[in-house]
Amino acid sequence: GAGVSQSPSNKVTEKGKDVELRCDPISGHTALYWYRQSLGQGLEFLIYFQGNSAPDKSGLPSDRFSAERTGGSVSTLTIQRTQQEDSAVYLCASSFTAAGANVLTFGAGSRLTVL
Amino acid sequence: QQPVQSPQAVILREGEDAVINCSSSKALYSVHWYRQKHGEAPVFLMILLKGGEQKGHEKISASFNEKKQQSSLYLTASQLSYSGTYFCGALDSGTYKYIFGTGTRLKVLA
Repeated sequence: GAGVSQSPSNKVTEKGKDVELRCDPISGHTALYWYRQSLGQGLEFLIYFQGNSAPDKSGLPSDRFSAERTGGSVSTLTIQRTQQEDSAVYLCASSFTAAGANVLTFGAGSRLTVL
Repeated sequence: QQPVQSPQAVILREGEDAVINCSSSKALYSVHWYRQKHGEAPVFLMILLKGGEQKGHEKISASFNEKKQQSSLYLTASQLSYSGTYFCGALDSGTYKYIFGTGTRLKVLA
């Protein structure tokens, strides 16, 4: 697509429920990143994909968080048994490759509210 | 460990200048600068690839000192549209994690 697309744009869920957040990167971008941004805070790195592989999952906050990417395209971030502290905006970004010379293009984000 | 930015926040009057600094404890091979307006996603401003490089974009320019592991963003004759949070970003060449700095909130008043 022309830009990075994320869905849903807003999600309100009850504590303990599972949620799935989807990211559709720019066509041809092999690198895909997930970040979490709590209200008024910075960008917390969660996970990065090069193709379908995630070389480093150490940024995921707990084992309730998981992510996958299929076909070198769409990625899904899953949060199981959501907690109130999971409330944040989850941003996805993609770039042509993971090399430092490449620019990240962000999606509009998915705002998650856990009641 | 994420790069540290200073100042954390700054308020300017239209037409005033500002400097935002980004300092890393790890070696930097490239630095990116992004601006995020309230309620929006970060948007790329510029990239610096070589130590000592300086680049400009209208009235916004930046420098990168690879030896000092520092970058600075210069905003001259600020406009209302410059308001937002500025982030530096850098790639960890060992892990390919792309890490953002702590952020600097800039508010330009009329």
